[in-house]
Order: sequence, then structure tokens, then C-alpha cells
Amino acid sequence: EIVLTQSPGTLSLSPGERATLSCRASQSVSSSYLAWYQQKPGQAPRLLIYGASIRPTVIPDRFSGNGSGTDFTLTISRLQPEDFAVYYCHHYGDSPPWTFGQGTKVDIK
Amino acid sequence: QVQLVQSGPEVKKPGSSVKVSCKALAGTFSSYCMTWVRQAPGQGLEWMGRVIPILGVVDHAQKFQGRVTITADTSTRTAYMELSSLRSEDTAVYFCARATVTKVFGGYHYYAMDAWGQGTTVTVSS
Repeated sequence: EIVLTQSPGTLSLSPGERATLSCRASQSVSSSYLAWYQQKPGQAPRLLIYGASIRPTVIPDRFSGNGSGTDFTLTISRLQPEDFAVYYCHHYGDSPPWTFGQGTKVDIK
Repeated sequence: QVQLVQSGPEVKKPGSSVKVSCKALAGTFSSYCMTWVRQAPGQGLEWMGRVIPILGVVDHAQKFQGRVTITADTSTRTAYMELSSLRSEDTAVYFCARATVTKVFGGYHYYAMDAWGQGTTVTVSS
């Protein structure tokens, strides 16, 4: 099973600042199968990034993902008020189990 | 736009079972990988398992071995997750989610879960 470890646990920032979230895998994973989700209280997760760096068309371009092997990053270039939420990285693909990181909470400083 | 609509909240006694449904209102259901994810109060996301009708595949996390049954009915475009021997630690919101699976040369390619149900709250209490 691939274990995903996210850091930091909480990121306290102000609107307009840049957020950098990290996700480290316990073994090398295919970049094709690494995703990021945003979750707000009382809501289902929302897909932000898949394939490590591909952004669905409905996702604003201030969100970007990169990385390979065991280290992946989600960057939010300029935090908007609606971006304060919890973010999860996720490994999926043909071989189960699929796994999630424990989450990074981005809150208002 | 694909919508996944889940069944309503459940309150169950310890030791009993719960069955949650997830109906897809549109899309090519047979090409989906229907996945179940749960979230205990104040906790993170936990993958439970998946069913891929086009491949006839069902997988689940080892943690739920022997307790979870995941099925799909392509005629009604509905996926089901049944969890038995419920205990208080199973109190959670249960989500279904859709991931598309496509055939590629040499195998299949999976896309990330891009559509989610609204969640079903399951409370286990005596």
C-alpha cells in the first residue's frame, strides 16, 4: 500500500499569498495517477488536479500541481477567500488500494 | 453534467448492517469505476473500495475485509455499498464517486474521481 504523507498539517496564510502544499509517497508512483482535492466543511471533495499536473477546465489557473516519483506539490499562486479549505492528495490507478494523504488545512492568518 | 445521488441518512445499531446506494443520473455508467470513500467526523478521507462494471472487477481496502460488499447494477445505473457488523467507529459520511476507465493499448487507463455524491451520514449508536 502506498502511504501519502502531506505537509504541513496546517498552513496559515493571508489572502493574496502563495500556498505551497507537499505530498510525499512511501514509494514511487506514476505521475498519471496522482490527484489533488479541495474539501470545504459539509461538502464533498472537489477535484483540482489529476495526473499530477493537469487541471480540469473549470478549475482556476491559480491552482497548479507538479512533481514526480515520490514528491508532489500543489501550489495556489494567490489565495482567494474561497480557497481556505482542506486539501488532500490522492493516489489512484489500476492497482488498489487507492489512498489519500491525511490532508493539509489552509486557514486564514 | 453527471450527478450522483445517494440514499438518505441512516441510524444503525452496533452489529447491524447498512446499505447505501448511489445513482448516476447520466453518463456511460458501464465505463465508470464507482468508488466508495468515507470520512469520520473531523477526520480525513478513507478509500473503501471500488467496482468497475466493464471489467467485472471489485476491490476493497484490506481494512474492510469480510465486512464490505460493493456492487453495481448497470440496468439502473446504481452502485451499492453494504457494510456489516457495524461498530461505533463506522460512524461517518459515506461518499460515492465516479472515475472514468478507458481502454488503451495494453490495458486500461484510469481517470481521477471527478464526480461525487452528496454523501450519506451513517450513525452507529446503541
